[in-house]
Amino acid sequence: QLQLQESGPGLVKPSETLSLTCSVSSGSISSTNYYWVWIRQPPGKGLEWIGTIYYGGTTYYNPSLKSRLTISVDTSKNQFSLKLSSVTAADTALFFCARQLYGDLTRIDYWGQGTLVTVSS
Amino acid sequence: QSALTQPASVSGSPGQSVTISCSGTRSDVGGYNYVSWYQQHPGKAPKLMIYEVNNRPSGVSSRFSGSKSGNTASLTISGLQAEDEADYYCSSYTSSTVFVFGTGTKVTVL
Repeated sequence: QLQLQESGPGLVKPSETLSLTCSVSSGSISSTNYYWVWIRQPPGKGLEWIGTIYYGGTTYYNPSLKSRLTISVDTSKNQFSLKLSSVTAADTALFFCARQLYGDLTRIDYWGQGTLVTVSS
Repeated sequence: QSALTQPASVSGSPGQSVTISCSGTRSDVGGYNYVSWYQQHPGKAPKLMIYEVNNRPSGVSSRFSGSKSGNTASLTISGLQAEDEADYYCSSYTSSTVFVFGTGTKVTVL
């Protein structure tokens, strides 16, 4: 069964860069059948799509975050990563990595457990 | 691209049916049959309940069904059970930004 695990600092200072990695196990990130996605959820609020990447490097970003966002993939490590720069308290959220079906990006079938990132000095 | 619009909350008694709406535009819900629904219990990752408007993944109860009319998609939960109490989110492909979630709906079982 595919597993995804988010990792990274739980506390980031304002104006710094938030960096997270998603490790994929029991499945290949290089599969042509899937995209890989980051989604966040501020405490007590709804889900927000951050961005999506294909194993070949093609990316789709939420326009509201695009200027601060970089998503990359490392097929040799079976991982993909998120970097969000110039963070503020508004970026405090539970961050999920997940798998999207190629051909239907709304179909997200496997999720990580999520990792809470707090932006505070 | 703004989030798709859902009611903040719906409620029903055990055994009843509830329907959650997801309102969009011709650029998202109305223009494509790529609408999915997710169930999220507190502190948990979301779970896919419906994809491509009205398809259930393996293992999802037949009490959950989806539909679409014009720019509005709907999720119906029939025979409401205590375990159905959760937050529900719709999502859609969108021609402008590729992907968008709904605002979310809290389902309460009375």
